This record gives sequence, C-alpha cells and structure tokens, in this order.
Amino acid sequence: GQNIDQPTEMTATEGAIVQINCTYQTSGFNGLFWYQQHAGEAPTFLSYNVLDGLEEKGRFSSFLSRSKGYSYLLLKELQMKDSASYLCAVRDLAGANNLFFGTGTRLTVIP
Amino acid sequence: DTEVTQTPKHLVMGMTNKKSLKCEQHMGHRAMYWYKQKAKKPPELMFVYSYEKLSINESVPSRFSPECPNSSLLNLHLHALQPEDSALYLCASSQGLGEGYEQYFGPGTRLTVT
Repeated sequence: GQNIDQPTEMTATEGAIVQINCTYQTSGFNGLFWYQQHAGEAPTFLSYNVLDGLEEKGRFSSFLSRSKGYSYLLLKELQMKDSASYLCAVRDLAGANNLFFGTGTRLTVIP
Repeated sequence: DTEVTQTPKHLVMGMTNKKSLKCEQHMGHRAMYWYKQKAKKPPELMFVYSYEKLSINESVPSRFSPECPNSSLLNLHLHALQPEDSALYLCASSQGLGEGYEQYFGPGTRLTVT
C-alpha cells in the first residue's frame, strides 16, 4: 500500500517563505507531484520530481530525497492568494502507476 | 487548450434517480480518470481509462458506471446512490499512464444525494 503524510495545517505571513513537508512509503515509487487546490476548486499541477534534488519554478520549488522518502514544497514571497491546500501525490508502480494523494496541507497566509 | 471541462457544476439527486456526469478534454490525452473527493480529504481514484479502455476500477460500487465514448469524452453514470456518495467528483486527464505525465483536473461536479 501507500502511506503519505503531510502536516494538516500551516500558517505563514505574507512575504515570508514556507516549507511544506511530505513523507511517503510506497512499494514502487515512480515520481512525486505537488498540486495546489483552492477551496471548492480543482487541483492544479505545481511540480514534479522523480530524481533526487531541487526543481525550481518561479516562487515555487520542490525537493525530493528518494532514500529518505521525503519531499518538500517551498513557497517564497508568499501572497494572500497562496492560501490553499497543497497536496502531495506519489505515483506507485505497485499501484498500477496511479497517483495516490496525501491528505493535503491547508496553508493560511496572513497579512 | 489545457482545459478539462465538466458538467454539470452542481447536481442534486434523489436516491432513486439516474443521472450522468460528463467530462471532456481536447488536449489529445489518452488517459482519463474519475476521482471522488469528500470535504477536507484528498481525491480518491475511482476509475482509469487508457486508450478508451477501462484500465483500473478501484473496487467502486456498481451504482457508479463509467463510460468512455471516445478519446475526448468520459461519462460517469449514477444510479441508486446513497447520501454518503455526496462529494466532489473530479475528472482528470493525462497524456498517458507512464512516468512524468501530470494529470490535469477539471473543476469538478459537486454532487448532493438526498
């Protein structure tokens, strides 16, 4: 099976940097995705890691360590519109290569 | 066009009704998915179609019946649902099932079963 853990809630200040962690245990790891989901809306793709290291995309960066079963999403220069849930999802070969989502981290950005 | 569209946006149905949810994409994606998402929970995979063939059925009750008429369309037929089936139903698509293909999600249909 798959076990994916994220903190349930986080609060950060506008303009600051926040790091959202994700740990996972899967039988056939085949990539990790981060999605952003605003309340009542569809998840939107943010980043993808399959090799160890850091992927940077503007204000968002994602890091992966396969040996530790660990990833983080780094959000810089936080804006109020970044208040959303952030979902860590792992693709598992043992799960027919489908995506398995963590419970999500609800981020609240305060002025 | 990087959009997945879903209709209707909202649906209220009784337990004896029959209704259908529709999903459409024109990105040439060959894999399409149905997910169910309850409030404050992550999306849960229900069905996967690859090249218009049902690839995965994650032990979903038979009151949910998927259909893929062609590579751009995906339907979810609903019959004799229960109140606990009330949820956000998300459709997604990807280029394929392989490594690296991110899934694009539609806005979802919010279903209420009364």
